[in-house]
Amino acid sequence: DTAVSQTPKYLVTQMGNDKSIKCEQNLGHDTMYWYKQDSKKFLKIMFSYNNKELIINETVPNRFSPKSPDKAHLNLHINSLELGDSAVYFCASSDDRDVSGANVLTFGAGSRLTVL
Amino acid sequence: GNSVTQMEGPVTLSEEAFLTINCTYTATGYPSLFWYVQYPGEGLQLLLKATKADDKGSNKGFEATYRKETTSFHLEKGSVQVSDSAVYFCALSTINAGGTSYGKLTFGQGTILTVHP
Repeated sequence: DTAVSQTPKYLVTQMGNDKSIKCEQNLGHDTMYWYKQDSKKFLKIMFSYNNKELIINETVPNRFSPKSPDKAHLNLHINSLELGDSAVYFCASSDDRDVSGANVLTFGAGSRLTVL
Repeated sequence: GNSVTQMEGPVTLSEEAFLTINCTYTATGYPSLFWYVQYPGEGLQLLLKATKADDKGSNKGFEATYRKETTSFHLEKGSVQVSDSAVYFCALSTINAGGTSYGKLTFGQGTILTVHP
């Protein structure tokens, strides 16, 4: 059983299209995230949801809209895709009961988006 | 704000060589420090962590010690294997005013390690 699963794994699309990436976790975690990894492997957080509530929204264009129907799912919808959106998008989850701040994230395998 | 700086890669070693990947950080407060590893075609997975000064994290022969005085968390392994070839990320998190970090990790730029037989 995959702990954090994302679909699709690969997505190739044209500029201007709208696409979605889905994420599900079966770990019972309260918090889920989307991270973006660029071509140089640099990782940056985009969004974080805790119990379906948006917690972190990091200077992301409003073409990106996350949706969390329940705490086990966090989807990412992208409107009007641009060339610069090409990247690998990682979903992750964590159990935030550890108040030391040392929350360990469990990552999905990534969804590689290529915009032509 | 928080930031993490890792040594530039790529790093290429022969099997059984000694590995060091340097990591330094700047942070407000007292961060927790992590090393994550990304194997080809996979997502990141936690390699080790340390939550306070002088803590040593260790796993699979890798070690890193939280050095507050030098704001560093260098990753070391005494004898690397071909299977250690991956991208290694140093990261930190700090607790927000609400008392959690909500997993907002600040990552270094990643270091690509290639180990040859």
